[in-house]
Amino acid sequence: RKEVEQDPGPFNVPEGATVAFNCTYSNSASQSFFWYRQDCRKEPKLLMSVYSSGNEDGRFTAQLNRASQYISLLIRDSKLSDSATYLCVVNSGGYQKVTFGTGTKLQVIP
Amino acid sequence: NAGVTQTPKFQVLKTGQSMTLQCAQDMNHEYMSWYRQDPGMGLRLIHYSVGAGITDQGEVPNGYNVSRSTTEDFPLRLLSAAPSQTSVYFCASSSGLARGNTIYFGEGSWLTVV
Repeated sequence: RKEVEQDPGPFNVPEGATVAFNCTYSNSASQSFFWYRQDCRKEPKLLMSVYSSGNEDGRFTAQLNRASQYISLLIRDSKLSDSATYLCVVNSGGYQKVTFGTGTKLQVIP
Repeated sequence: NAGVTQTPKFQVLKTGQSMTLQCAQDMNHEYMSWYRQDPGMGLRLIHYSVGAGITDQGEVPNGYNVSRSTTEDFPLRLLSAAPSQTSVYFCASSSGLARGNTIYFGEGSWLTVV
């Protein structure tokens, strides 16, 4: 089983739709969790950290479920500019233990 | 507001050639690292450093060397390029790994080995 797994997509959604991605991780000792966004042929950039209690940043909501070992990202009212690949990142302790998922591609359609 | 700067952006090498990818950050971060990104594989850690004079291997270190003589610079050397090293390389830096910290990436270096 991969340490971090994501559905590669693509998720094709119309503007204004709500879309959710999940990411599962295998190491129950994982300590911190993040969502990064990567545009085509660009570098990854932090979208948001994921807190145990769940956290929201505008149209984006991230949640952590430690019991089932997954994190989720919910995007409400999708915009064309949300089209990108979303990377799940899990830190299991130490720099060598930071694992990136392969990403979920989102395409928002007019 | 430079952040993480890496050069070159594009490079074509012949098998067996050597080269150095340069990376510099101006945020006074202790942590620096190099990743490669291949289709369907995600970002994989090549080497990392937790401070000047300290480096360690990541998941895929073979064929690469690094050094960290200053806080700012973290070059990646390809010793004898192979086609398997064709990839996109990202340099990154951060002030830590706890929740709330950010890993900042350079713009990437597209390397083709023929």
